Amino acid sequence: ILNVEQSPQSLHVQEGDSTNFTCSFPSSNFYALHWYRWETAKSPEALFVMTLNGDEKKKGRISATLNTKEGYSYLYIKGSQPEDSATYLCATNFGNEKLTFGTGTRLTIIP
Amino acid sequence: DAGVIQSPRHEVTEMGQEVTLRCKPISGHDYLFWYRQTMMRGLELLIYFNNNVPIDDSGMPEDRFSAKMPNASFSTLKIQPSEPRDSAVYFCASSLVGQGNSPLHFGNGTRLTVT
Repeated sequence: ILNVEQSPQSLHVQEGDSTNFTCSFPSSNFYALHWYRWETAKSPEALFVMTLNGDEKKKGRISATLNTKEGYSYLYIKGSQPEDSATYLCATNFGNEKLTFGTGTRLTIIP
Repeated sequence: DAGVIQSPRHEVTEMGQEVTLRCKPISGHDYLFWYRQTMMRGLELLIYFNNNVPIDDSGMPEDRFSAKMPNASFSTLKIQPSEPRDSAVYFCASSLVGQGNSPLHFGNGTRLTVT
C-alpha cells in the first residue's frame, strides 16, 4: 500500500501569520508530487507539480519544496489571508498516471 | 476553455436505480480520471483512461460500477444498481499528459445521494 500522509489534519492560523504543513510519501519509485488547493463547495485546483529533488516552486505568497530522498514536501504560506482558507491536498504517483492523494490539511485563517 | 464539465451537479435516487454520471474533459487532454470523495477515504481513484482506452480500473469498487469513454470528449460512470453506500461526490478530472507530469483539472463534481 502506497500511503501519502499529510500533517497536521487541520490548522488555525491568525491572519497575517505565516504557516507551513507537510506531505510525506514513500521515496521509492517516486515520479511527481502535486499540491492542490480545495475550497469548500468547489473542486481541487492545482498549485504545483514537482518532480526533482530539491525543487522549489512559488506562486504569490505560497511556495513548496520537495525532498524525494527522504520522502517529504512542505507547503508554505506567507502572511496568511482569509482567502487562503481551504483544504490543501498533496498527491504523488509511482511511475504511472495514478495519483494517490493524502487526506489533506484543512487550513482556517482567523481574521 | 470551459474546463472539465460534469453533469448532473446533484443526483438523488432511490436504492436499486441506475445512475449515470457524465463528464466532458478539456479538449486535447489525453487522460481522464474518475475519483470518488468520501469522508472516510478521501479522494479515491476509481478508473482512468488514456486516449479513450481504460488503463486501470482496479479502484472500481465492484461490478455494479462501470465506466466508458466512447470518444475523446465524453465519458460516463454508471452505477447499476445503486446502493446507499455509493453516496459520495464523484469527480472527473483530465490531464494533458501522463506520468504525473501535468496537473489534474477537476470538474465541479456530482454529489450523489442514494436513499
